[in-house]
Amino acid sequence: AQSVTQLDSQVPVFEEAPVELRCNYSSSVSVYLFWYVQYPNQGLQLLLKYLSGSTLVKGINGFEAEFNKSQTSFHLRKPSVHISDTAEYFCAVSETSYDKVIFGPGTSLSVIP
Amino acid sequence: NAGVTQTPKFRVLKTGQSMTLLCAQDMNHEYMYWYRQDPGMGLRLIHYSVGEGTTAKGEVPDGYNVSRLKKQNFLLGLESAAPSQTSVYFCASSFQSGRYNEQFFGPGTRLTVL
Repeated sequence: AQSVTQLDSQVPVFEEAPVELRCNYSSSVSVYLFWYVQYPNQGLQLLLKYLSGSTLVKGINGFEAEFNKSQTSFHLRKPSVHISDTAEYFCAVSETSYDKVIFGPGTSLSVIP
Repeated sequence: NAGVTQTPKFRVLKTGQSMTLLCAQDMNHEYMYWYRQDPGMGLRLIHYSVGEGTTAKGEVPDGYNVSRLKKQNFLLGLESAAPSQTSVYFCASSFQSGRYNEQFFGPGTRLTVL
């Protein structure tokens, strides 16, 4: 069965520093992968998604993620964070033949001035 | 273009009471979803719909019912609320299957069951 692990529940980082949010999934078949962001008191918004092709995916607000099939990982990175990046980040996975998306538990990113 | 809206934004119920949460989307999306969000557990799918008149169970359907009588609306019902249903409920929609399409989320409904 599918599952998504986000190893870090909270990540504090100083403004303008780089950040990596980790995501690992378990699945024995081909997958689609997503990162969503939730700003305080709002719904989720799509940051980026991997369906096929290049394993490096670029998203909005300067974020990117790399799909590593052998490691079953889809880590999210940003080279320089801003105060406005403070939010909850969710990794999600779906199987190509299964009509549901499984969300990870989320990582709370706090950017410190 | 309002996107996905949810009514109400907040609600407090007593154990055993019933209520209906309304989700509306104006993007002509086929797929709609109801999730619950609990601390440390991410989002869990309650029920979903792949088109008008259709519904299907998700990961945690017990204690909830849904209806999709009109394409733009997706209703989530709690017939007899329990404290375990205290949560934040999100509705989402997507043009086609959310397994490869972006899901658009509403702002959420915060429900407390006493």
